Amino acid sequence: DGGITQSPKYLFRKEGQNVTLSCEQNLNHDAMYWYRQDPGQGLRLIYYSQIVNDFQKGDIAEGYSVSREKKESFPLTVTSAQKNPTAFYLCASSTLAGKYNEQFFGPGTRLTVL
Amino acid sequence: KNEVEQSPQNLTAQEGEFITINCSYSVGISALHWLQQHPGGGIVSLFMLSSGKKKHGRLIATINIQEKHSSLHITASHPRDSAVYICAVPTGNQFYFGTGTSLTVIP
Repeated sequence: DGGITQSPKYLFRKEGQNVTLSCEQNLNHDAMYWYRQDPGQGLRLIYYSQIVNDFQKGDIAEGYSVSREKKESFPLTVTSAQKNPTAFYLCASSTLAGKYNEQFFGPGTRLTVL
Repeated sequence: KNEVEQSPQNLTAQEGEFITINCSYSVGISALHWLQQHPGGGIVSLFMLSSGKKKHGRLIATINIQEKHSSLHITASHPRDSAVYICAVPTGNQFYFGTGTSLTVIP
């Protein structure tokens, strides 16, 4: 079945540690996105990528890094520089063709810093 | 400054009630998306519309491009409709999301 997978579903990290969240899609979508969701706030864009080996910062990129070595994969690293990393992280993908680009979301990863 | 505003933030309804969730936006758009987020966190797309009205089962979405406003209606609400409903507008390379409306339908 086509879709987006994220792993792990729950992740615990000690302060000062980097952690990488996985996002894979088999929809053949060009664009992939990482969002952060906090209680009472809308989804906020961390990074996005429209093509392999290229990515752009979103509104809240500080303390995060990404890579896009393969079309199917867009991992997000939460670094120790991110001061408040506890949140729900969602990955999404979309086609770039056409005028209306529906986004497809993964199930999310809930990160807790202990 | 929020490009997308939703109301109400929270909504509790009795089973069977007609529900309306509103979304206003300030940016120019080609289409607006309504999303549903279940308690587990997963998000699914309900509607993508650029004009008029769309219907899917008990869900109806309308949009007025001139007024920059969209509504999501749920007819004959059911407890399984309990979720967070989010509107999103694409602009440039990004989407802007509302903060969501948390709906609880009581049996």
